[in-house]
Amino acid sequence: GENVEQHPSTLSVQEGDSAVIKCTYSDSASNYFPWYKQELGKGPQLIIDIRSNVGEKKDQRIAVTLNKTAKHFSLHITETQPEDSAVYFCAASINGNQFYFGTGTSLTVIP
Amino acid sequence: NAGVMQNPRHLVRRRGQEARLRCSPMKGHSHVYWYRQLPEEGLKFMVYLQKENIIDESGMPKERFSAEFPKEGPSILRIQQVVRGDSAAYFCASSPPLLGNTEAFFGQGTRLTVV
Repeated sequence: GENVEQHPSTLSVQEGDSAVIKCTYSDSASNYFPWYKQELGKGPQLIIDIRSNVGEKKDQRIAVTLNKTAKHFSLHITETQPEDSAVYFCAASINGNQFYFGTGTSLTVIP
Repeated sequence: NAGVMQNPRHLVRRRGQEARLRCSPMKGHSHVYWYRQLPEEGLKFMVYLQKENIIDESGMPKERFSAEFPKEGPSILRIQQVVRGDSAAYFCASSPPLLGNTEAFFGQGTRLTVV
């Protein structure tokens, strides 16, 4: 089955700096890659996603890149703010029939 | 359009009791996924259901755990004879009945505590 690895497990950045979280996947058939943000005591919220026919997608301060050849995808958050502090999960899916999650990255933005 | 609704939000059970967790998917969604999250750990897949069918239960423990998604009503995750190790947050996600890549949206979770 699919195996998703995520790094780093914890990340601290100064407010205003950028944060990058990286994931790799093993199954070349995976074609949908969502990212979720989970705040304490809440369920994961979808923040951005990318499909295999696209190399990059951007939504305001958040961007995701996908390298199908290398089987890795990354989340980029620019101009970080304290409210960006949360746990972020990447996931890989084949046609949305199953979602395999990374182990999460705890991001702390230091004011 | 309400999001994915899970209830109860918190559930306390004594060892040996049964726990029933409910998940109402978003309107129009017919795919439901259940995940378990232990403290400070990631989301572990348990089961994937469509209406009246279990599509993939490879993440479900072989004993005591079962799930259903009937034609009418919410999806139910049932844990019989709970043990302390079952204490965790259980999340449900739903997605629409479309072929191809589709987003999955999560509920707020049910936090099960076994005492």
